[in-house]
Amino acid sequence: GQQLNQSPQSMFIQEGEDVSMNCTSSSIFNTWLWYKQDPGEGPVLLIALYKAGELTSNGRLTAQFGITRKDSFLNISASIPSDVGIYFCAGQGAGGTSYGKLTFGQGTILTVHP
Amino acid sequence: DTAVSQTPKYLVTQMGNDKSIKCEQNLGHDTMYWYKQDSKKFLKIMFSYNNKELIINETVPNRFSPKSPDKAHLNLHINSLELGDSAVYFCASSPTGLEQFFGPGTRLTVL
Repeated sequence: GQQLNQSPQSMFIQEGEDVSMNCTSSSIFNTWLWYKQDPGEGPVLLIALYKAGELTSNGRLTAQFGITRKDSFLNISASIPSDVGIYFCAGQGAGGTSYGKLTFGQGTILTVHP
Repeated sequence: DTAVSQTPKYLVTQMGNDKSIKCEQNLGHDTMYWYKQDSKKFLKIMFSYNNKELIINETVPNRFSPKSPDKAHLNLHINSLELGDSAVYFCASSPTGLEQFFGPGTRLTVL
């Protein structure tokens, strides 16, 4: 089945620093999504990407759909303490049987020190 | 104005029991999902319904049975609970099958 490799697994940064994380796949994806999960809560959708090469921002967050359609990147600029949480990439593969079926990465645990 | 809600939030039960988790969405979405998140936080899809019809059924034991009485509700019934069923179960809904919106989760603990 399709698998996503998300890295890094965890990050410890100082408030104000920029953050980058990425997701790679061995197969092509048609859609990339980035979610954030706070403790005890469900994942919240941050950014959705639909076209290869697409670059989309949501406040301090910027995500890109890789040209090869096998990767995606999420950047957070000027991190703040409330950015703490687990960030997940998710993708929907090409092919009719993949419609609506998201594959999730393993998550990146972000810790921000004030 | 809760979008996707689940009940209960916590469920503690003995092995062998049967339990249900309920999910409701007021977003008017056609598609709903059940996901399982294990202790390592890995999220995996279990089922998907579109307008009350099952469209995704991953490799899940037969003890798990989803039921959709209408397109705003998708419940999950689990028979003969096992220790390995302990996890957080998330319901989600989507207008398009792409962007999916998650509920707050139900933490199931099987003793």
